[in-house]
Amino acid sequence: DAGVIQSPRHEVTEMGQEVTLRCKPISGHDYLFWYRQTMMRGLELLIYFNNNVPIDDSGMPEDRFSAKMPNASFSTLKIQPSEPRDSAVYFCASSGGAADTQYFGPGTRLTVL
Amino acid sequence: AQSVAQPEDQVNVAEGNPLTVKCTYSVSGNPYLFWYVQYPNRGLQFLLKYITGDNLVKGSYGFEAEFNKSQTSFHLKKPSALVSDSALYFCAVRDIWSGTTSGTYKYIFGTGTRLKVLA
Repeated sequence: DAGVIQSPRHEVTEMGQEVTLRCKPISGHDYLFWYRQTMMRGLELLIYFNNNVPIDDSGMPEDRFSAKMPNASFSTLKIQPSEPRDSAVYFCASSGGAADTQYFGPGTRLTVL
Repeated sequence: AQSVAQPEDQVNVAEGNPLTVKCTYSVSGNPYLFWYVQYPNRGLQFLLKYITGDNLVKGSYGFEAEFNKSQTSFHLKKPSALVSDSALYFCAVRDIWSGTTSGTYKYIFGTGTRLKVLA
């Protein structure tokens, strides 16, 4: 398996623009997680899905952030409008069960100017 | 409240010496505990986990961790450090989240400890 795939790997955009991050989990995994990593706040869980259903979105910073999982092999995290404070590395991870190991993608480094 | 603490921001150790990266936790019920490593510009990689059984867990790259229930600790160890072990290490605990959907959960990650192995 290719592991968790994220695209793009790097994104540079201007404040106010819409940003869409994409994730393809490992085939067969039924949990998908979105994290954000910054120097100031470390690793934060934004939202996670189980069987394509959002379970806990309490980590989503505000209404500008939204996430979808239309099917078992694809998820998106959208920021609209983007702000400079959204600059971070965004990770997607998937796991195969409630107590199972999470496998992380390589991350998307987002820079909002 | 469920939590995990990594009390050291950075650990420095000479190559060839044993290393320890500390982690303590607070969780109701039986904890599921994990260690992950992050190399520069990479995602987190799984090292090892404790679910049940033997308190000494062996993982990837020669790392091991000891679950200590009385001290609520899960310290990461390696007998002989390598320069290539220099990275950011995260401890995580599984929190059984009693939300609207029973049986759901999420990981709680520590703040990370930067390990620097000096040649």
